[in-house]
Amino acid sequence: GAGVSQSPRYKVAKRGQDVALRCDPISGHVSLFWYQQALGQGPEFLTYFQNEAQLDKSGLPSDRFFAERPEGSVSTLKIQRTQQEDSAVYLCASSQRRLGGEQFFGPGTRLTVL
Amino acid sequence: SQQGEEDPQALSIQEGENATMNCSYKTSINNLQWYRQNSGRGLVHLILIRSNEREKHSGRLRVTLDTSKKSSSLLITASRAADTASYFCATDPSGSRLTFGEGTQLTVNP
Repeated sequence: GAGVSQSPRYKVAKRGQDVALRCDPISGHVSLFWYQQALGQGPEFLTYFQNEAQLDKSGLPSDRFFAERPEGSVSTLKIQRTQQEDSAVYLCASSQRRLGGEQFFGPGTRLTVL
Repeated sequence: SQQGEEDPQALSIQEGENATMNCSYKTSINNLQWYRQNSGRGLVHLILIRSNEREKHSGRLRVTLDTSKKSSSLLITASRAADTASYFCATDPSGSRLTFGEGTQLTVNP
């Protein structure tokens, strides 16, 4: 594919439901990032993978948030027992470099928790 | 928490005018990047300026960086209606993750 893809594009969940958000990075990109963007705000970092290793998860807001990238390509962000404050756009980005450089973003998944 | 602050928060201009957006940040950086986000879409990378550079150009874009003041500016010349978007600066103090400002909403009126 030409760019980063994410699915689903939109997700509506009832409070307490578990959700799983998928990210397909650009083929061959080493680094993968998840960001959370609240309405009217800039994106905030959640977690970072280098290949299959999760090197930084300091931005995950609670232990209800879990991310994985088992084979170093596709990544899944899972949110357990969703709360209304989890409503946001979740952005995935990939980069061909291990450190620094341009990040290529997907279109995001808009999560609405009712 | 946000590392940077963009100024102004919102800017409305006429087509053909220049638009200038400013960004301030708090910690030392390796580089500073500017991104654009159209309504309902992901972020698109515009330009990257390294900490040892002072000015960079790309098409109608001009970016300056003043590390002593911890600030950067993005100038868009001869603006077009299609430039209407939110613009974010982002820094990478740790070398990997990006820390974004809150963005400037630019509206270019035809």
